[in-house]
Amino acid sequence: DIQMTQSPSSLSASVGDRVTITCRASQGISNYLAWYQQKPGKVPKLLIYAASTLQSGVPSRFSGSGSGTDFTLTISSLQPEDVATYFCQKYNSAPWTFGQGTKVEIK
Amino acid sequence: EVQLVQSGAEVKKPGESLKISCKGSGYRFTSYWIGWVRQMPGKGLEWMGIIYPGDSDTRYSPSFQGQVTISADKSISTAYLQWSSLKASDTAMYYCARAYSSFDYWGQGTLVTVSS
Repeated sequence: DIQMTQSPSSLSASVGDRVTITCRASQGISNYLAWYQQKPGKVPKLLIYAASTLQSGVPSRFSGSGSGTDFTLTISSLQPEDVATYFCQKYNSAPWTFGQGTKVEIK
Repeated sequence: EVQLVQSGAEVKKPGESLKISCKGSGYRFTSYWIGWVRQMPGKGLEWMGIIYPGDSDTRYSPSFQGQVTISADKSISTAYLQWSSLKASDTAMYYCARAYSSFDYWGQGTLVTVSS
């Protein structure tokens, strides 16, 4: 099965900073890659699908890029409400494996 | 409005059986896959499996194959996740989610606690 590896596992940044999270697939998955945000105690929320398509209602400071094996989630200007854990997920074929998550905190 | 409403929290003993549910509304239930995701306390998301209610085609993660059963009753727009013999290690939050280019809508989660 394809493994999904996120980095870093956690990060701390200041309000207004640009934040980048990476996700690497152990084999090529084209652009079948999604990003989710999970705030503490809450249900996961879809942010981006097809590697770079923003889900309706998601703020434009979130963006995604990549194809094949290497993907990136970028928050252009970190806001206090972005404190959460972010997960990538591949969905080209079963199993739709998640990455291990990246916890984002405010410095 | 698309909604997935899951059954309530459960407290069970090891060895007991359990079936939790996920009822879809606001869309054509038979036209979208429904998946199940486990989140153990303080841990990440684990994809368990997925079912297409239209024909009950089901796929499991190797990690969960044989450990759980995923089913659906399209007549009542409900998907299920069941265990025949629970273990303490099954203690977790379980989410259902609609699959359309990833998981676009999620249920509120069902907390399952297994303790003697």
